[in-house]
Amino acid sequence: NAGVTQTPKFQVLKTGQSMTLQCAQDMNHEYMSWYRQDPGMGLRLIHYSVGAGITDQGEVPNGYNVSRSTTEDFPLRLLSAAPSQTSVYFCASRLIMTGQGGPYEQYFGPGTRLTVT
Amino acid sequence: AQKITQTQPGMFVQEKEAVTLDCTYDTSDPSYGLFWYKQPSSGEMIFLIYQGSYDQQNATEGRYSLNFQKARKSANLVISASQLGDSAMYFCAMREAGAGGGADGLTFGKGTHLIIQP
Repeated sequence: NAGVTQTPKFQVLKTGQSMTLQCAQDMNHEYMSWYRQDPGMGLRLIHYSVGAGITDQGEVPNGYNVSRSTTEDFPLRLLSAAPSQTSVYFCASRLIMTGQGGPYEQYFGPGTRLTVT
Repeated sequence: AQKITQTQPGMFVQEKEAVTLDCTYDTSDPSYGLFWYKQPSSGEMIFLIYQGSYDQQNATEGRYSLNFQKARKSANLVISASQLGDSAMYFCAMREAGAGGGADGLTFGKGTHLIIQP
């Protein structure tokens, strides 16, 4: 099992450029999500998905799009990058909670460090 | 109001001493889970320990234990016999089971930077 993988690890963009951050998991997890981590802010939820074809917004969705065409993949798109999107981006996945059993812990990818100039 | 509060931005602790990292939370959902993650300087998020709101016993995982005081809405992480490799950022996080929507995700505190000194 590779777990949760993310590409690229590092990226520098100019303001206004677009790009897609890739995320894949091989654990057959229904739930996938994207977080951003800024200094002194902890991690904040951008978008999430509870299964193929289903996505929804988190706490800080503006400027980002997502889609979920397969269980395995959950790409994050920046349509027009802004300096405020300079951050470290984490993708995470887990099983869907169906009751009180288990921690249903989130498995995190290694992160993508994005700089927008 | 913040849902997760970690009041210690940074801590210095002598090696082999026990460490308590504070976390308080705010929720009206009776069903929730509390998590602690470790983030070393390499950047990855490492799951340490989980406590469910209905769990009767405090969670333990090796040198990690969670001091869960439900009435005080407190979920402190205790690391026994600290090691140099424990130096990292530590995040407390909560998932509220019943709220749905974005609350299915984790809400994180701002973290505590723990430095273990030899």
